[in-house]
Amino acid sequence: GAVVSQHPSRVICKSGTSVKIECRSLDFQATTMFWYRQFPKQSLMLMATSNEGSKATYEQGVEKDKFLINHASLTLSTLTVTSAHPEDSSFYICSAPKEVVTDTQYFGPGTRLTVL
Amino acid sequence: QKEVEQNSGPLSVPEGAIASLNCTYSDRGSQSFFWYRQYSGKSPELIMFIYSNGDKEDGRFTAQLNKASQYVSLLIRDSQPSDSATYLCAVKVTGGGNKLTFGTGTQLKVEL
Repeated sequence: GAVVSQHPSRVICKSGTSVKIECRSLDFQATTMFWYRQFPKQSLMLMATSNEGSKATYEQGVEKDKFLINHASLTLSTLTVTSAHPEDSSFYICSAPKEVVTDTQYFGPGTRLTVL
Repeated sequence: QKEVEQNSGPLSVPEGAIASLNCTYSDRGSQSFFWYRQYSGKSPELIMFIYSNGDKEDGRFTAQLNKASQYVSLLIRDSQPSDSATYLCAVKVTGGGNKLTFGTGTQLKVEL
């Protein structure tokens, strides 16, 4: 069964609004979670590392004021796309490492964001 | 030089054949290697991981790791049309914490 959930699975919003995406680890705790973005026919792009109890670590070129990440608990990380624009339309996917030895990452089902 | 390289494909194989997917990586200190499968419009799902040199088998899948050559591969035996997807190679690099570096993926097409 699924080990990481995401909500919502699909969202359509108007330009200028903010959208929050939730990522939850199911039946395990994750001090670290990862947020990716994927444009059509392109590979995954790591946006940031979400750290429970501390600030997120953003990859180069990712605007931290636009993509707000909050790791509020050991099972929940949220990504808020602020003042969304059409170019932010993409497939957003989170992942969390579960296995203690290998830190194997499991992905959530993804959130497809469409900004009109 | 990209850290993790894969041939984008598409790689076409007939049903029942062996599909061979390859991946090279640049960081010699890399510890763990993962193969994910991604269907169009879906998120990646883990197929298997490997961290010791040699082969690791799981059902129809075999991962092969050669750290000296900085090469990891995935073999899919008795390929089925349902195996048609993009296969992502991911590497946990030295000093990267839990962060994975992904290749761009190889598209596999299994034809009837």
